[in-house]
This record gives sequence, structure tokens and C-alpha cells, in this order.
Amino acid sequence: NAGVTQTPKFRILKIGQSMTLQCTQDMNHNYMYWYRQDPGMGLKLIYYSVGAGITDKGEVPNGYNVSRSTTEDFPLRLELAAPSQTSVYFCASSPGLGTGNTEAFFGQGTRLTVV
Amino acid sequence: AQSVTQLDSQVPVFEEAPVELRCNYSSSVSVYLFWYVQYPNQGLQLLLKYLSGSTLVKGINGFEAEFNKSQTSFHLRKPSVHISDTAEYFCAFGGYQKVTFGTGTKLQVIP
Repeated sequence: NAGVTQTPKFRILKIGQSMTLQCTQDMNHNYMYWYRQDPGMGLKLIYYSVGAGITDKGEVPNGYNVSRSTTEDFPLRLELAAPSQTSVYFCASSPGLGTGNTEAFFGQGTRLTVV
Repeated sequence: AQSVTQLDSQVPVFEEAPVELRCNYSSSVSVYLFWYVQYPNQGLQLLLKYLSGSTLVKGINGFEAEFNKSQTSFHLRKPSVHISDTAEYFCAFGGYQKVTFGTGTKLQVIP
């Protein structure tokens, strides 16, 4: 059972470069999320999607973009990398219908360093 | 607005001792609460959840939590910790279309 798969696991970017973090889930979940984790700050929601073709901003969306063309995939795009985007990024999915009463399933994370 | 607060950023405890990790929530609507655990260099995985019903919730690895509406708390407990419990623990609130996480508590089990 693959669950939520993120690629790459590690990446070093130079300031101003762009990249896409990939996320795929095979559980047919409607809801998908991107979080970033910084030491002592917990997880902050970047973007989320409630289904194919529907995305919305979370708490910290600046500098990122997302798309959801299929149920399975939810890539996160960094257009102009900045040192402030150095973080660990987690993708998650949930079968929830919007009521908040279901758990989220997480990928293993992508550790991104911007230098 | 819904939120969760974890007051303790780090909790050191000796092996085989009991532990309590504190979580307080703020919400004016239905309450769905979760505890997740993150082992080093891994993603988060669910420990337990409270959706409704019994206020004492049992989870994996011997952990349990008690939902206390009057104190707006959802503290996580284990009667006897093991070295393998060393990890970071996150309290989370399940809201409409999204989950809000606390800042995490690092549990350090000392041999």
C-alpha cells in the first residue's frame, strides 16, 4: 500500500530557481493538503484541495502555487525560491467530507534547502 | 476561530515513568481532536482521535487521551514510556475542510 508518495525526498535550490514538489495518493481521497514544518512552529497549511479542479489558500500561501488536475496528484510549485522557503514540506490526504472528523494521511516529507 | 495550544515544547521523562502531554483547544463548534506522532525523519501518523462519545480515547502504542469539555483540554497520557516513544507529538483540530496543528511537543525518553 503506497498511501501518499512525495518526491523528491531532499533538494537544494539556489535563490531564484523554481521547482515542483510532487505528491500522489492512491487512496481515492478527495481532500489533499500541503504543509510546511519549521522548528518550533508546528505545521502550517500552505494550500489545500477539496477535489480535482478545486484549490484554496491556507495560512501561508505566498510564494507557492498548486494545481489539482486529477484526484491522485497535487503538485506544489515554487516559482522563485527564497531562503525563507527552506523547510520540510509534507503532503497529506483525507477522505473527509469537510466536517473535519477524519484523519489525514501523510507522506514522508521533502526537505528543501534554499541557498 | 478554532485552534489548539501545546504549552510544552519539550518533555523529558525517564524510561518506564508516566507521561502527560498537554493540549488545549479553542472552538465554538463541533470538536474533532487528534493526536499525531512524528518519529525522526518521518511523516506524521495518527495516534488516536476523538470524534464523539466516550471521553476517554485509547490509541496505538499504549497511549490514551481524555476529552474534557469544561477545561477545553485533550491531554495525551501513557502510564509507562519506552525509549521507542521518543518522538514529536502533535495535537490537531479537525475543522471545516482543514486540520489545524499545534506547535508540537518533543518527548525525550531518558534511559
